[in-house]
Amino acid sequence: GAGVSQSPSNKVTEKGKDVELRCDPISGHTALYWYRQSLGQGLEFLIYFQGNSAPDKSGLPSDRFSAERTGGSVSTLTIQRTQQEDSAVYLCASSVDRGLGNIQYFGAGTRLSVL
Amino acid sequence: QKEVEQNSGPLSVPEGAIASLNCTYSDRGSQSFFWYRQYSGKSPELIMFIYSNGDKEDGRFTAQLNKASQYVSLLIRDSQPSDSATYLCAATTGGFKTIFGAGTRLFVKA
Repeated sequence: GAGVSQSPSNKVTEKGKDVELRCDPISGHTALYWYRQSLGQGLEFLIYFQGNSAPDKSGLPSDRFSAERTGGSVSTLTIQRTQQEDSAVYLCASSVDRGLGNIQYFGAGTRLSVL
Repeated sequence: QKEVEQNSGPLSVPEGAIASLNCTYSDRGSQSFFWYRQYSGKSPELIMFIYSNGDKEDGRFTAQLNKASQYVSLLIRDSQPSDSATYLCAATTGGFKTIFGAGTRLFVKA
């Protein structure tokens, strides 16, 4: 694909429901990242996957958040029992391993609104 | 807590002036530093990255890194109204984990 693809672009859900957000990285990119961006704020690191290594989950805010990456490509971020404070834009990025210069390419994001 | 700090701004400069954006980081193990530009409602896009002390120039943009002071800056020469955006500083430590600052909003007045 031409770039990182995220779906859905917008998601409105009710408090307490589960949601799944999808990210399709650039073909050949070995690293995949998830970030959360609240209105007017910077990017909050959530998790990253690199090749076959165990993911770095250190940024996940609670055990309601989980992510998986299947076949080293597509990733799904799942939020269980959503809360209003989960409302934000969720951004996915991917990169190629170039040592010190791992440039991340971002998708357009999923805007999550929890009512 | 590993942090990247930026002045939130807004920083306002007249067209044609030099805009100077600054960033400090707390983790001395940070190895690579990135400047991303984010237009309102859009995703971040890379402007420059730097990992050696000193200056790195690319067109109107110059990134500066001082590891002793844990300080990174971005200079934009001949600022244009189209440069008006939020500029995010990011630091990568030991691999892929990247910590972003909250961003500095820049306004370039025509």
